[in-house]
Amino acid sequence: GAVVSQHPSWVICKSGTSVKIECRSLDFQATTMFWYRQFPKQSLMLMATSNEGSKATYEQGVEKDKFLINHASLTLSTLTVTSAHPEDSSFYICSALAGDYGYTFGSGTRLTVV
Amino acid sequence: GIQVEQSPPDLILQEGANSTLRCNFSDSVNNLQWFHQNPWGQLINLFYIPSGTKQNGRLSATTVATERYSLLYISSSQTTDSGVYFCAVEVTGRRALTFGSGTRLQVQP
Repeated sequence: GAVVSQHPSWVICKSGTSVKIECRSLDFQATTMFWYRQFPKQSLMLMATSNEGSKATYEQGVEKDKFLINHASLTLSTLTVTSAHPEDSSFYICSALAGDYGYTFGSGTRLTVV
Repeated sequence: GIQVEQSPPDLILQEGANSTLRCNFSDSVNNLQWFHQNPWGQLINLFYIPSGTKQNGRLSATTVATERYSLLYISSSQTTDSGVYFCAVEVTGRRALTFGSGTRLQVQP
């Protein structure tokens, strides 16, 4: 139990375009989901906390107008990287708190902006 | 904010060897988890262990919350154990995990 599905696994986009990443809890409801970013050979850094039916909470230094988060249902949160630039290239991974299982993570999305 | 330090940063083992990874944290935590990140980036949840000791096959973990550290033991290592091991904590009063810098493990045949 406690599976989080994330799509796409990888995406290549042109500079200036937008990319949407989906994160779904498959067998449990997640009122709160979390979005992390990981640069090569670095640790995971929390970007924002996504709350179902309300605005997301962003960490200091994360541009909320660039990284749009929508959590419209108890099983789906989306992250849209708007007007992507090469410096936004990274590994994005979502997470949800799943009761006794603790925090469980999606498989991640590798974004490359060219 | 909370500091989460992991040691060693890098570790090379011969297949069959044992190892201990350490995680120190600077504040009280509600939750502590150990993860293995495979070469494809997938985070595998190894242990949910805010306190006490747990074992799962060749892996075991111990958290001493009062002394603010946790240990991950890997016995009889295999090449498939290679990857990065992360310790992550949930600070009291705040949802979300804060990750340590990780231990990069390479198990050689």
